Amino acid sequence: ETGVTQSPTHLIKTRGQQVTLRCSSQSGHNTVSWYQQALGQGPQFIFQYYREEENGRGNFPPRFSGLQFPNYSSELNVNALELDDSALYLCASSFPGQGARGYTFGSGTRLTVV
Amino acid sequence: QKEVEQDPGPLSVPEGAIVSLNCTYSNSAFQYFMWYRQYSRKGPELLMYTYSSGNKEDGRFTAQVDKSSKYISLFIRDSQPSDSATYLCAPSNNAGNMLTFGGGTRLMVKP
Repeated sequence: ETGVTQSPTHLIKTRGQQVTLRCSSQSGHNTVSWYQQALGQGPQFIFQYYREEENGRGNFPPRFSGLQFPNYSSELNVNALELDDSALYLCASSFPGQGARGYTFGSGTRLTVV
Repeated sequence: QKEVEQDPGPLSVPEGAIVSLNCTYSNSAFQYFMWYRQYSRKGPELLMYTYSSGNKEDGRFTAQVDKSSKYISLFIRDSQPSDSATYLCAPSNNAGNMLTFGGGTRLMVKP
């Protein structure tokens, strides 16, 4: 079973609301990345955090923001939810120096915006 | 045009068949080439990764990268029903910080 835990597993929100998704990284992993996977599509990179600082960002608007905590757990916050934000949100963590080659993904949070 | 393209399938094969999954990409900066398998309602899991051009074999799986034609392949020998999943190719730049996923190919292996 994966060492990356995401919560909640499912979530339904109304358009315009705000949402916080959580990720608990695998022990020893100090890098965490978030991806958005729309139905029938591949995951898209949102951003990455390394030692509590944003370390790269994909083509997502500022209403997508994140935090990484000293224990390497992480949050993804999305403000002013839109219908198109409905997707599976995946968290991936890795050991220092391994980068994307060492990703371990969680099972994701399925967000539905109505 | 997307940076990484995959045929979405579904690809349906009988048990025991050799499966060929393919991917094309446009970014010459990609140096690492990953293949992930994703079961329904699960996160992707890394199957194989290859650095630069060449072949890599791991059990029933073989990954091939041809950087000159920007073409990536994954071969599965003696396919099993448990191989039924979506296969995602995911190249990465030299920093290896960000994966650019293809749309995935859904594979169905029938007993």
